[in-house]
Amino acid sequence: QKEVEQDPGPLSVPEGAIVSLNCTYSNSAFQYFMWYRQYSRKGPELLMYTYSSGNKEDGRFTAQVDKSSKYISLFIRDSQPSDSATYLCAMSGASARQLTFGSGTQLTVLP
Amino acid sequence: GAGVSQTPSNKVTEKGKYVELRCDPISGHTALYWYRQSLGQGPEFLIYFQGTGAADDSGLPNDRFFAVRPEGSVSTLKIQRTERGDSAVYLCASSTQPAGVVNEQFFGPGTRLTVL
Repeated sequence: QKEVEQDPGPLSVPEGAIVSLNCTYSNSAFQYFMWYRQYSRKGPELLMYTYSSGNKEDGRFTAQVDKSSKYISLFIRDSQPSDSATYLCAMSGASARQLTFGSGTQLTVLP
Repeated sequence: GAGVSQTPSNKVTEKGKYVELRCDPISGHTALYWYRQSLGQGPEFLIYFQGTGAADDSGLPNDRFFAVRPEGSVSTLKIQRTERGDSAVYLCASSTQPAGVVNEQFFGPGTRLTVL
């Protein structure tokens, strides 16, 4: 079983919809939680990161971490066609060095 | 400014051959990482450099894989006796800070390696 599980999708939503992306993990040592966005044939780019449980908001994006359930989420409000990409959750331990990624969720926002 | 660059963008080789993949990190970034991303999967950690030294090479799958960063800037990932299972996108990332602090890892576009 992988340390980080992520529903691969694909997920297709109409423009303006609220999108919910999720990951579960098994390693209690994970302390930093990140969401990356990856466009086709490009490297991942960091969207948001959180440390410990709670919510963090940045514009249309909200990241949630529930360490007791080992569950993290990314919400995208008012989704746009330009949000169409693969979203990767990533985690690291206290060293915050090597990242452990989920398998990615492919999102398509239809105009 | 320039981001992380990787060359070549694509590499096709035959089983058993030797390949080198190059990464130019963002200027001034002391930390450099290599990841491997197979089709439909997330990146998997291979090795991490802090300066010239490999601080963590626990992700290298076997001794056919080796990486260097002799001057603390450019890094080369070397794969000997390539196998078809080595086919993947090899991603390089760099960051400004060492371990212990969340630091954004800036990724390059990757080198797509195909072993025939």
